[in-house]
Amino acid sequence: GAVVSQHPSWVICKSGTSVKIECRSLDFQATTMFWYRQFPKQSLMLMATSNEGSKATYEQGVEKDKFLINHASLTLSTLTVTSAHPEDSSFYICSASGTSGSKGSTDTQYFGPGTRLTVL
Amino acid sequence: QKEVEQDPGPLSVPEGAIVSLNCTYSNSAFQYFMWYRQYSRKGPELLMYTYSSGNKEDGRFTAQVDKSSKYISLFIRDSQPSDSATYLCAMKRSETSGSRLTFGEGTQLTVNP
Repeated sequence: GAVVSQHPSWVICKSGTSVKIECRSLDFQATTMFWYRQFPKQSLMLMATSNEGSKATYEQGVEKDKFLINHASLTLSTLTVTSAHPEDSSFYICSASGTSGSKGSTDTQYFGPGTRLTVL
Repeated sequence: QKEVEQDPGPLSVPEGAIVSLNCTYSNSAFQYFMWYRQYSRKGPELLMYTYSSGNKEDGRFTAQVDKSSKYISLFIRDSQPSDSATYLCAMKRSETSGSRLTFGEGTQLTVNP
């Protein structure tokens, strides 16, 4: 299947700092990338959807000024958590869906391994 | 009422057992169905993807879709301890890349050696 990577896999930061998480599709072009948040023993909660070269679409209740998303190329999207606070501590997962004809099927989302954020 | 219902378990079975995981959904607009496996502290891994009603087999895994009953299943044959994980059903309305997934709550499975 298609491969999606995330970096870093684990980050600890102080309250008030900003953290950037990268999501890359390694072997296909991702027209659309999705960012999720997951709390322990819960399912994935969609935060936003981003298309290459366009502004991200945020889900209701997600602060777009706090969670900045950039999808600058067909293989890279970044999520920046600005002025992080302890309540932002969570597991952040991206997924990517590709263009027709590429290895990533438009029918499915392929997920990255996730980034665990701990804000002290 | 949730759009997708999935029993969270936990489900515990002995090694070698046949495991049946199920989801029901209420919205007939869902046309594409997926099963993901998620190990602890990892991202979900796509196991099966189906569109039509009927069965799809891949190794020890069989996905079943019954659109008339709005019911999907994942069967795992000869279950192994390495199958211990959370299994998420997911579905979407459209095949376009921007179409969002709606997930079930996930079923936590433990296969005991």
